[in-house]
Amino acid sequence: ETGVTQTPRHLVMGMTNKKSLKCEQHLGHNAMYWYKQSAKKPLELMFVYSLEERVENNSVPSRFSPECPNSSHLFLHLHTLQPEDSALYLCASSQDIPRDSHTDTQYFGPGTRLTVL
Amino acid sequence: KQEVTQIPAALSVPEGENLVLNCSFTDSAIYNLQWFRQDPGKGLTSLLLIQSSQREQTSGRLNASLDKSSGRSTLYIAASQPGDSATYLCAVRPGTGFQKLVFGTGTRLLVSP
Repeated sequence: ETGVTQTPRHLVMGMTNKKSLKCEQHLGHNAMYWYKQSAKKPLELMFVYSLEERVENNSVPSRFSPECPNSSHLFLHLHTLQPEDSALYLCASSQDIPRDSHTDTQYFGPGTRLTVL
Repeated sequence: KQEVTQIPAALSVPEGENLVLNCSFTDSAIYNLQWFRQDPGKGLTSLLLIQSSQREQTSGRLNASLDKSSGRSTLYIAASQPGDSATYLCAVRPGTGFQKLVFGTGTRLLVSP
């Protein structure tokens, strides 16, 4: 266990549904991340939060809406998704966001396998 | 735009073999390079991190090298074991701007007993 948990582990939803993914880290970190991992594509960074402030929005469609109520919790709210949004969604955390030459190891959760019908 | 490529996409070897996984990147201006391991249905685990000023890093049976000028890194696994079966991902941290990781698509390794 890395100290980062994600629920649910599997989710099947229709295109008109609304659902949320939850991530919780127990490491006392200040930064949290959402990544998307599609088959045969590289991991894509979606959102980054530092101390509950969003610092990066990587041109993600508005049907994905992140929420970070505190430094330990991160949500990804989903609505009117498309079949091509089916993927593994990974959450990660690090002590701080990396800047300049400062590097922080990211700890990943197990992911939520999302299928959009 | 930085792009990371990993070859081969899949590799199958018998137990005990030494093997090399390859990673190449298009822009040599990087701060560091990391190798991760991903087991099926699980998240990523960091294995080795090489700073741009370093040439290699070692951890147990793993050795990662970095040749920044040619845009290449290799992950060497000695005396492979079935427990090494996983997908291995390479990621670089670019040298400018917000330092998000740029990942390759991974090499899926199967070590058979």
